[in-house]
Amino acid sequence: AQRVTQPEKLLSVFKGAPVELKCNYSYSGSPELFWYVQYSRQRLQLLLRHISRESIKGFTADLNKGETSFHLKKPFAQEEDSAMYYCALRASSGSARQLTFGSGTQLTVLP
Amino acid sequence: NAGVTQTPKFQVLKTGQSMTLQCAQDMNHNSMYWYRQDPGMGLRLIYYSASEGTTDKGEVPNGYNVSRLNKREFSLRLESAAPSQTSVYFCASSTGSGANVLTFGAGSRLTVL
Repeated sequence: AQRVTQPEKLLSVFKGAPVELKCNYSYSGSPELFWYVQYSRQRLQLLLRHISRESIKGFTADLNKGETSFHLKKPFAQEEDSAMYYCALRASSGSARQLTFGSGTQLTVLP
Repeated sequence: NAGVTQTPKFQVLKTGQSMTLQCAQDMNHNSMYWYRQDPGMGLRLIYYSASEGTTDKGEVPNGYNVSRLNKREFSLRLESAAPSQTSVYFCASSTGSGANVLTFGAGSRLTVL
């Protein structure tokens, strides 16, 4: 069975500092990885996915199959980045193709 | 375009009471899901419906039942609520059965006393 681990429940950085939210996964096949974000009083929404290789709101994430990681990075954090971030995995085949979420990291960007 | 609409937003129950959480989407999505969100546990899948007329268990189905009433609506029922079911419940939908990109509702906060 697949598993997603986000080791940091809470992460605080100062505005303008780099930020990295860690995500590690265990899955024997070739997964699809996603980052979802929930801003205060807003709905959970997709931030980015690895297959798109895109940068959204300055965030990027690279799938590292060797380290089984999909860390989310931003070079200069902004106060509006404060939110709960969830890493999620979808299996590439088989019956377990539903999204498996990590436990989430609450990011606070301090002024 | 409302997206995914959940009702009620808040509910307090006593142990043993029953209730149904309602979810409707207006995006013509095929698949719908119910998750629960608990501190330190993230989102865990309760049940999902890959398409109209089908439902399947997720990671934590015990104590819940679901009904895919039609393509738009997917309800979650607690037959005999327990304090362990105190949580925030999220309904979501997606275009395809492979989860793809999920669109979430605003959530329903349930407290069982």
